[in-house]
Amino acid sequence: QVQLVESGGGVVQPGGSLRLSCAASGFTFSNYGMHWVRQAPGKGLEWVAFIRYDGSNKYYADSVKGRFTISRDNSKNTLYLQMNSLRAEDTAMYYCAKVVGGTTHYFDYWGQGTLVTVSS
Amino acid sequence: EIVLTQSPGTLSLSPGERATLSCRASQSVSSNYLAWYQQKPGQAPRLLIYGASSRATGIPDRFSGSGSGTDFTLTISRLEPEDFAVYYCQQYGSSPHSFGQGTKLEIK
Repeated sequence: QVQLVESGGGVVQPGGSLRLSCAASGFTFSNYGMHWVRQAPGKGLEWVAFIRYDGSNKYYADSVKGRFTISRDNSKNTLYLQMNSLRAEDTAMYYCAKVVGGTTHYFDYWGQGTLVTVSS
Repeated sequence: EIVLTQSPGTLSLSPGERATLSCRASQSVSSNYLAWYQQKPGQAPRLLIYGASSRATGIPDRFSGSGSGTDFTLTISRLEPEDFAVYYCQQYGSSPHSFGQGTKLEIK
């Protein structure tokens, strides 16, 4: 069965960095685009970033552009989110999500999330 | 950027009643690429509807989606106790793939 398992969250000071990982199994990871979506405590969902199945195309929400980098290693079935220059407003649960297929950008599987807290 | 506005913010109903949730877009959603998700406390979202009206695999037929252009609706025909949750719409026709702010469906 499809599994997405995030890791790498934690407490970091403002201006610091973190790298999140999402380990995928149960499907052919290299065939699917992947996204990161975040949710601040008690708030709604916010789309963060997308990467094409082969890594050739990426795009970002304006709120993270220039600070976050999405990447993937298809040989390791793993998605990453490098987060630099972190701010208090980046505090959130971060989910990785798999697209249903093709060029669509809605999500049939989500991980359980990893919590990032930016605080001094 | 397409902004999605969901209404109402909170909907209080009883089991067995019909729920109607609205999602309005600030501009037309390309190809009606509109999805609905359900989220329960402490859980990841679950896909309910895609393409505005197609049910995802395993979703009961009491859930239905409708609409086009800028106005979309999620209807739950007869509420079951497990349906009380937060519901989000998402447009995926253009980047950024924005979400609405959510509608909380609570037991009256």
